[in-house]
Amino acid sequence: EIVMTQSPATLSVSPGDRATLSCRASQSLSSNLAWYQQKPGQAPRLLIYAASTRATAIPARFSGSGSGTEFTLTINSVQSEDFALYYCQQYDNWPPLTFGGGTKVEI
Amino acid sequence: QVQLQESGPGLVKPSETLSLTCAVSDYSISSSYYWGWIRQSPGKGLEWIGSIYYSGRTYYNPSLKSRLTISIDTSKNQFSLKLSYVTAADTAVYYCARGTPYITGTFDYWGQGTLVTVSS
Repeated sequence: EIVMTQSPATLSVSPGDRATLSCRASQSLSSNLAWYQQKPGQAPRLLIYAASTRATAIPARFSGSGSGTEFTLTINSVQSEDFALYYCQQYDNWPPLTFGGGTKVEI
Repeated sequence: QVQLQESGPGLVKPSETLSLTCAVSDYSISSSYYWGWIRQSPGKGLEWIGSIYYSGRTYYNPSLKSRLTISIDTSKNQFSLKLSYVTAADTAVYYCARGTPYITGTFDYWGQGTLVTVSS
């Protein structure tokens, strides 16, 4: 099973700042990594797949990068609606599909 | 716009079987390559339970495989989850989701989730 580790657990930022979230895999994923956003009481929303491709209707301030075992989600100019939990997920080698423990982006 | 809706008992007794159904609307379940179930224990992260292809082929999380059955009913445009011999550790919000077309392993549309509590 591929273990996904996210850091930091909590990221405190101010509106307008840049937020940088990290995700590390226990083995190489090539670029088979996705990012999801989850707000309280809501289902996760797919943001990024293939490490750097934005999903449909995702704003351009969200960008993903990385390959192999190290990945980054960047939120440029954080907006109030971006305060949420963010999860990375690998789909390179499964079953099982596995998620990271999440990063909470807070004010 | 694809819509998914989970349904089933919100309370299940220990050692019994948890059964959930995901009804898909505004989209033919046969049109998408695969569908999935994911759960989230209270205050915890996301755990993939399993996926089913429109053909009926299934992939299960090895940690749940011995207790798990996922099935699909194309005539009713829905798919289902059965998890047997549940314990308190199975208490979670259960989500159903659509597999992202051409990106096997990710999910682009999710249901709102349903909380299932395992308790006597």
